[in-house]
Amino acid sequence: AQSVTQLDSHVSVSEGTPVLLRCNYSSSYSPSLFWYVQHPNKGLQLLLKYTSAATLVKGINGFEAEFKKSETSFHLTKPSAHMSDAAEYFCVVSESSGTYKYIFGTGTRLKVLA
Amino acid sequence: ETGVTQTPRHLVMGMTNKKSLKCEQHLGHNAMYWYKQSAKKPLELMFVYNFKEQTENNSVPSRFSPECPNSSHLFLHLHTLQPEDSALYLCASRGQGINSPLHFGNGTRLTVT
Repeated sequence: AQSVTQLDSHVSVSEGTPVLLRCNYSSSYSPSLFWYVQHPNKGLQLLLKYTSAATLVKGINGFEAEFKKSETSFHLTKPSAHMSDAAEYFCVVSESSGTYKYIFGTGTRLKVLA
Repeated sequence: ETGVTQTPRHLVMGMTNKKSLKCEQHLGHNAMYWYKQSAKKPLELMFVYNFKEQTENNSVPSRFSPECPNSSHLFLHLHTLQPEDSALYLCASRGQGINSPLHFGNGTRLTVT
């Protein structure tokens, strides 16, 4: 069975400092992994996806994530936070088994301090 | 501009009203989803349609009735809702590749009074 755990419900960083949002997953099949961002009263926007190609995935707005099978992790990072990065971030796992089910983490709210 | 459009953006309805939420996708996808997002709760899958056929009903109460007339349009008909149904309702679509991500609309903020 699939599951995804976002280890922090809230993260605060200062503007210009690195961002690390942590995600661990569990999957019986080869997983596809995604990170989404949600700004207030908006839908979820895809930041990046991992689909068994390169383990280091680059996304939009300077974000990237590294797939580590041995650690079952898919942490999201950004070298330098910007005020506009303040939002909620969701880690999502989907199995490549044809069921097309997506399991969402509970979200991490990122606060960026001036 | 998102490839998935939801209307209305905001809706206030009484418990005895009947209303509908609409979702339209312009991405050529064949699968469409309804999710419910409540404060302090994980995203809840409600329904999935694949090629207009319902493939998932996640034990949703019958006061929510989905309709998918074609692969581009998805509706959620609402009747006799409860205050706890107040939430952000999100529509998403997906392409056919097995690793395809979901593409979300901006949601409808529903308030039941």
